[in-house]
Amino acid sequence: QKEVEQDPGPLSVPEGAIVSLNCTYSNSAFQYFMWYRQYSRKGPELLMYTYSSGNKEDGRFTAQVDKSSKYISLFIRDSQPSDSATYLCAPTWAGTYKYIFGTGTRLKVLA
Amino acid sequence: NAGVTQTPKFRVLKTGQSMTLLCAQDMNHEYMYWYRQDPGMGLRLIHYSVGEGTTAKGEVPDGYNVSRLKKQNFLLGLESAAPSQTSVYFCASSTATYEQYFGPGTRLTVT
Repeated sequence: QKEVEQDPGPLSVPEGAIVSLNCTYSNSAFQYFMWYRQYSRKGPELLMYTYSSGNKEDGRFTAQVDKSSKYISLFIRDSQPSDSATYLCAPTWAGTYKYIFGTGTRLKVLA
Repeated sequence: NAGVTQTPKFRVLKTGQSMTLLCAQDMNHEYMYWYRQDPGMGLRLIHYSVGEGTTAKGEVPDGYNVSRLKKQNFLLGLESAAPSQTSVYFCASSTATYEQYFGPGTRLTVT
Protein backbone atom coordinates (compact mmCIF):
# COMPACT_ATOMS: atom_id res chain seq x y z
CA GLN A 1 0.00 0.00 0.00
CA LYS A 2 1.33 3.44 -0.92
CA GLU A 3 1.75 5.86 1.95
CA VAL A 4 -0.29 8.51 0.14
CA GLU A 5 -2.89 7.85 -2.56
CA GLN A 6 -4.68 10.25 -4.88
CA ASP A 7 -7.00 9.68 -7.80
CA PRO A 8 -5.02 10.93 -10.82
CA GLY A 9 -8.09 12.22 -12.66
CA PRO A 10 -8.50 14.14 -14.85
CA LEU A 11 -11.45 15.72 -13.11
CA SER A 12 -13.44 18.02 -15.41
CA VAL A 13 -15.95 20.47 -13.95
CA PRO A 14 -17.83 23.51 -15.30
CA GLU A 15 -16.82 26.98 -14.19
CA GLY A 16 -18.44 27.92 -10.88
CA ALA A 17 -18.67 24.34 -9.59
CA ILE A 18 -17.53 23.22 -6.16
CA VAL A 19 -14.57 20.88 -6.50
CA SER A 20 -13.54 18.22 -4.02
CA LEU A 21 -10.03 16.77 -4.24
CA ASN A 22 -9.03 13.96 -1.92
CA CYS A 23 -6.10 11.96 -0.57
CA THR A 24 -5.86 8.98 1.71
CA TYR A 25 -2.77 8.13 3.72
CA SER A 26 -1.60 5.22 5.81
CA ASN A 27 0.89 6.68 8.31
CA SER A 28 -0.88 7.83 11.45
CA ALA A 29 2.21 9.82 12.50
CA PHE A 30 1.61 12.49 9.85
CA GLN A 31 0.71 15.80 11.47
CA TYR A 32 1.06 18.46 8.76
CA PHE A 33 -0.91 18.21 5.55
CA MET A 34 0.15 20.29 2.57
CA TRP A 35 -1.59 21.01 -0.69
CA TYR A 36 0.55 22.05 -3.63
CA ARG A 37 -0.72 23.30 -6.97
CA GLN A 38 1.24 22.62 -10.14
CA TYR A 39 0.45 24.27 -13.44
CA SER A 40 1.48 22.49 -16.64
CA ARG A 41 5.26 22.56 -17.17
CA LYS A 42 5.84 24.51 -13.94
CA GLY A 43 7.14 23.68 -10.49
CA PRO A 44 4.70 23.00 -7.63
CA GLU A 45 3.75 25.90 -5.36
CA LEU A 46 2.33 25.68 -1.87
CA LEU A 47 -1.40 26.43 -1.81
CA MET A 48 -2.12 25.89 1.87
CA TYR A 49 -1.52 23.54 4.75
CA THR A 50 -3.22 22.36 7.92
CA TYR A 51 -1.94 21.02 11.18
CA SER A 52 -3.56 17.92 12.67
CA SER A 53 -7.30 17.52 12.22
CA GLY A 54 -9.85 20.14 11.31
CA ASN A 55 -10.50 22.72 8.63
CA LYS A 56 -8.59 25.67 7.29
CA GLU A 57 -10.03 28.22 4.90
CA ASP A 58 -8.21 30.60 2.57
CA GLY A 59 -10.41 32.50 0.18
CA ARG A 60 -12.13 30.02 -2.14
CA PHE A 61 -10.05 27.13 -0.82
CA THR A 62 -10.77 24.95 2.23
CA ALA A 63 -8.47 22.18 3.44
CA GLN A 64 -9.91 19.49 5.67
CA VAL A 65 -8.19 16.68 7.56
CA ASP A 66 -9.87 13.71 9.20
CA LYS A 67 -7.12 11.86 11.05
CA SER A 68 -9.47 9.16 12.32
CA SER A 69 -10.11 8.00 8.75
CA LYS A 70 -6.73 9.18 7.37
CA TYR A 71 -8.49 11.31 4.76
CA ILE A 72 -7.44 14.71 3.41
CA SER A 73 -9.64 16.95 1.29
CA LEU A 74 -9.27 20.21 -0.61
CA PHE A 75 -12.45 22.04 -1.59
CA ILE A 76 -12.50 24.79 -4.20
CA ARG A 77 -15.58 27.02 -4.30
CA ASP A 78 -16.65 28.95 -7.40
CA SER A 79 -14.00 27.20 -9.46
CA GLN A 80 -12.35 29.19 -12.25
CA PRO A 81 -10.55 28.14 -15.45
CA SER A 82 -7.38 29.49 -13.80
CA ASP A 83 -7.74 26.72 -11.18
CA SER A 84 -6.98 24.15 -13.90
CA ALA A 85 -3.83 22.46 -12.63
CA THR A 86 -2.59 19.34 -10.88
CA TYR A 87 -3.13 19.32 -7.10
CA LEU A 88 -0.67 17.37 -4.97
CA CYS A 89 -1.24 16.46 -1.36
CA ALA A 90 1.86 16.07 0.79
CA PRO A 91 1.60 15.00 4.41
CA THR A 92 4.59 15.17 6.70
CA TRP A 93 5.70 14.61 10.25
CA ALA A 94 6.42 17.29 12.84
CA GLY A 95 10.09 18.19 13.05
CA THR A 96 10.96 17.05 9.54
CA TYR A 97 11.16 18.72 6.21
CA LYS A 98 10.67 15.62 4.07
CA TYR A 99 7.32 15.21 2.40
CA ILE A 100 5.59 12.20 0.96
CA PHE A 101 3.89 13.52 -2.15
CA GLY A 102 0.75 12.04 -3.62
CA THR A 103 0.75 11.47 -7.38
CA GLY A 104 -1.56 14.45 -7.89
CA THR A 105 -5.06 14.96 -9.27
CA ARG A 106 -5.37 16.81 -12.55
CA LEU A 107 -8.26 19.30 -12.54
CA LYS A 108 -9.80 20.95 -15.59
CA VAL A 109 -12.29 23.77 -15.07
CA LEU A 110 -14.23 24.39 -18.26
CA ALA A 111 -15.33 27.93 -19.17
CA ASN B 1 14.58 38.06 -6.08
CA ALA B 2 14.60 35.12 -8.52
CA GLY B 3 13.66 32.43 -5.95
CA VAL B 4 14.83 29.00 -7.13
CA THR B 5 16.41 28.70 -10.56
CA GLN B 6 17.50 25.58 -12.43
CA THR B 7 19.97 25.12 -15.26
CA PRO B 8 19.50 23.78 -17.91
CA LYS B 9 15.76 23.74 -18.71
CA PHE B 10 16.02 20.90 -21.20
CA ARG B 11 18.68 18.32 -22.03
CA VAL B 12 18.98 15.22 -24.17
CA LEU B 13 21.69 12.73 -23.27
CA LYS B 14 22.86 9.49 -24.75
CA THR B 15 23.11 6.43 -22.52
CA GLY B 16 26.38 6.50 -20.60
CA GLN B 17 26.95 10.26 -20.83
CA SER B 18 27.29 12.37 -17.73
CA MET B 19 25.87 15.74 -16.79
CA THR B 20 25.32 18.10 -13.89
CA LEU B 21 22.11 19.93 -13.07
CA LEU B 22 22.53 23.21 -11.21
CA CYS B 23 20.08 24.61 -8.68
CA ALA B 24 20.48 28.08 -7.20
CA GLN B 25 18.37 29.89 -4.58
CA ASP B 26 18.61 33.47 -3.38
CA MET B 27 16.39 33.17 -0.29
CA ASN B 28 19.17 32.15 2.13
CA HIS B 29 17.42 28.82 2.77
CA GLU B 30 19.23 26.13 4.75
CA TYR B 31 17.51 23.13 3.21
CA MET B 32 17.63 22.10 -0.43
CA TYR B 33 16.19 19.12 -2.26
CA TRP B 34 16.29 17.30 -5.57
CA TYR B 35 13.16 15.49 -6.77
CA ARG B 36 12.23 13.63 -9.89
CA GLN B 37 8.67 13.57 -11.23
CA ASP B 38 7.42 10.74 -13.39
CA PRO B 39 3.88 10.01 -14.65
CA GLY B 40 1.93 7.97 -12.11
CA MET B 41 4.78 8.15 -9.58
CA GLY B 42 4.49 11.67 -8.25
CA LEU B 43 7.43 13.58 -6.83
CA ARG B 44 10.15 11.39 -5.37
CA LEU B 45 13.04 12.70 -3.29
CA ILE B 46 16.48 11.88 -4.71
CA HIS B 47 18.86 13.67 -2.33
CA TYR B 48 18.61 16.54 0.07
CA SER B 49 20.84 18.86 2.10
CA VAL B 50 20.27 20.40 5.52
CA GLY B 51 23.06 22.95 5.15
CA GLU B 52 26.22 23.93 3.32
CA GLY B 53 28.60 20.98 3.05
CA THR B 54 25.97 18.37 3.95
CA THR B 55 24.05 15.90 1.78
CA ALA B 56 21.80 12.92 2.47
CA LYS B 57 20.03 10.23 0.47
CA GLY B 58 16.35 10.39 -0.23
CA GLU B 59 13.95 7.79 -1.57
CA VAL B 60 15.60 7.12 -4.97
CA PRO B 61 19.32 8.06 -4.76
CA ASP B 62 20.87 5.34 -6.94
CA GLY B 63 22.64 6.65 -10.04
CA TYR B 64 22.84 10.23 -8.73
CA ASN B 65 25.36 12.23 -6.73
CA VAL B 66 25.01 15.68 -5.19
CA SER B 67 27.16 18.43 -3.74
CA ARG B 68 26.42 21.54 -1.70
CA LEU B 69 29.68 23.49 -1.62
CA LYS B 70 27.90 26.83 -1.29
CA LYS B 71 24.72 27.52 0.66
CA GLN B 72 22.92 28.90 -2.36
CA ASN B 73 23.78 26.08 -4.78
CA PHE B 74 22.86 22.40 -4.93
CA LEU B 75 24.24 20.30 -7.77
CA LEU B 76 22.83 17.00 -9.02
CA GLY B 77 25.14 14.78 -11.05
CA LEU B 78 24.44 11.82 -13.29
CA GLU B 79 27.69 9.93 -13.81
CA SER B 80 26.46 7.45 -16.43
CA ALA B 81 22.97 8.29 -17.65
CA ALA B 82 20.42 5.52 -18.25
CA PRO B 83 17.05 5.66 -20.05
CA SER B 84 15.38 5.05 -16.64
CA GLN B 85 16.61 8.50 -15.62
CA THR B 86 14.44 10.20 -18.23
CA SER B 87 12.30 12.45 -16.07
CA VAL B 88 11.52 15.98 -15.00
CA TYR B 89 13.85 17.07 -12.21
CA PHE B 90 12.82 19.68 -9.66
CA CYS B 91 14.95 21.44 -7.12
CA ALA B 92 13.38 22.96 -4.01
CA SER B 93 14.54 24.89 -0.98
CA SER B 94 13.08 25.69 2.42
CA THR B 95 13.74 27.15 5.84
CA ALA B 96 12.86 25.19 8.94
CA THR B 97 9.17 25.79 8.20
CA TYR B 98 7.14 23.45 6.08
CA GLU B 99 6.93 25.41 2.84
CA GLN B 100 9.21 24.23 0.09
CA TYR B 101 9.84 26.55 -2.86
CA PHE B 102 10.30 24.78 -6.17
CA GLY B 103 12.24 25.69 -9.26
CA PRO B 104 10.79 25.49 -12.79
CA GLY B 105 12.21 22.04 -13.51
CA THR B 106 14.67 20.43 -15.93
CA ARG B 107 13.32 18.05 -18.57
CA LEU B 108 15.89 15.33 -19.19
CA THR B 109 15.66 12.69 -21.89
CA VAL B 110 18.15 9.83 -22.05
CA THR B 111 18.19 7.94 -25.33
